[in-house]
Amino acid sequence: EVQLVQSGGGLVQPGGSLRLSCAASGFTFSSHWMSWVRQAPGKGLEWVANIKKDGSEKYYVDSVKGRFTVSRDNARNSLYLQMNSLRAEDTAIYYCARDIGVTRGVTGDDYWGQGTLVTVSS
Amino acid sequence: EIVMTQSPATLSVSPGERATLSCRASQSVGINLAWYQQKPGQAPRLLIYAASTRAPGVPARFSGSGSGTDFTLTVSSLQSEDFAVYYCQQYNNWPRTFGQGTKVEIK
Repeated sequence: EVQLVQSGGGLVQPGGSLRLSCAASGFTFSSHWMSWVRQAPGKGLEWVANIKKDGSEKYYVDSVKGRFTVSRDNARNSLYLQMNSLRAEDTAIYYCARDIGVTRGVTGDDYWGQGTLVTVSS
Repeated sequence: EIVMTQSPATLSVSPGERATLSCRASQSVGINLAWYQQKPGQAPRLLIYAASTRAPGVPARFSGSGSGTDFTLTVSSLQSEDFAVYYCQQYNNWPRTFGQGTKVEIK
């Protein structure tokens, strides 16, 4: 059974840092692009970042470039999001997700983690 | 950045009726478009990718169509479990972008 189990998150002050983790199981992790998507309270979905299967390519939404870093450890079947210089507008539920893997690039995300709430507030 | 615009914002439909949701891209995305369903308190669920291909396990009452800039998600006969928010997302260009969502509610 495919599972994505997230950890990390919580309350952090503006300017602070946080690291989110996503532990994958039930599939060959190194064969799939992975994503981070967030959802501010009561709002829609916002794509945050993607990382290629081998970690050689990374893409970010403009609002997090230079502050967030996506990484993966294929030996540990784990995905990470390091978030620095956090702002109030980064407050959201963060989801990790697996690309369906039907092409060499990204397509759609077919399995999602349970989500973790990040609150940036003083 | 490609802007995705969904309409209507809210769609009121009776169970058993057909629902038609629209998604428009600010520039061509080919067929590189996905549809997701999200229920309150849950993670999104992939319904459609490549504009018209159903993801595994998705019922046949869900269908997608379109290419270029105009796309449609149709639910042929709404079931109680289909009342939710639906999002389109383009993956033709970085950054990937979502539409603002269409809420399908019970009439």
